[in-house]
Amino acid sequence: GAGVSQSPSNKVTEKGKDVELRCDPISGHTALYWYRQSLGQGLEFLIYFQGNSAPDKSGLPSDRFSAERTGGSVSTLTIQRTQQEDSAVYLCASSFRQGANYGYTFGSGTRLTVV
Amino acid sequence: DAKTTQPPSMDCAEGRAANLPCNHSTISGNEYVYWYRQIHSQGPQYIIHGLKNNETNEMASLIITEDRKSSTLILPHATLRDTAVYYCIVRVGGGGYQKVTFGIGTKLQVIP
Repeated sequence: GAGVSQSPSNKVTEKGKDVELRCDPISGHTALYWYRQSLGQGLEFLIYFQGNSAPDKSGLPSDRFSAERTGGSVSTLTIQRTQQEDSAVYLCASSFRQGANYGYTFGSGTRLTVV
Repeated sequence: DAKTTQPPSMDCAEGRAANLPCNHSTISGNEYVYWYRQIHSQGPQYIIHGLKNNETNEMASLIITEDRKSSTLILPHATLRDTAVYYCIVRVGGGGYQKVTFGIGTKLQVIP
């Protein structure tokens, strides 16, 4: 596709429910990142995928958070037993591994609200 | 922790140049300086990047000091649509992986 696509754009869920957020990176981009942005805050790194290498999960805030990337393309971020503090905008970005002349391309994010 | 520091906010009159500073005193030799901006309710957008030479594109100019410890993003003729949060980050170029943290950026308000 022409850009990074994220779905849903908005998600309201009840506390304790599980949610799945989806990211479709730009075709050919081998690197994929998830960030979280709470209201008025900067971007908090969550997880990074690069090709077939083991992902860098060091930014995941708890074991309720997990992510996978199937076939080196689409990625899903799953939050189990959601809490109100999980409310934030979840941003996905992708980039070429080689020659990162254009840096990251971000999607428009998924706004998650836990009520 | 972010490897860059930026002022939290700035104002600029419409039509004037906006000069946004960034300090990156611990930058490594293989790290580039990247600038992004985030307009309300959108994902961050790439603006420009550089290693050590000054760079210019259709959006902005990037001035990097000779010691590479700081840089300035210049929007030559700011418009109201340039009101956004501007992020300065450093990261390796050429495909190397690096976990990058975005700080809170500079909130630029362009005033009519």
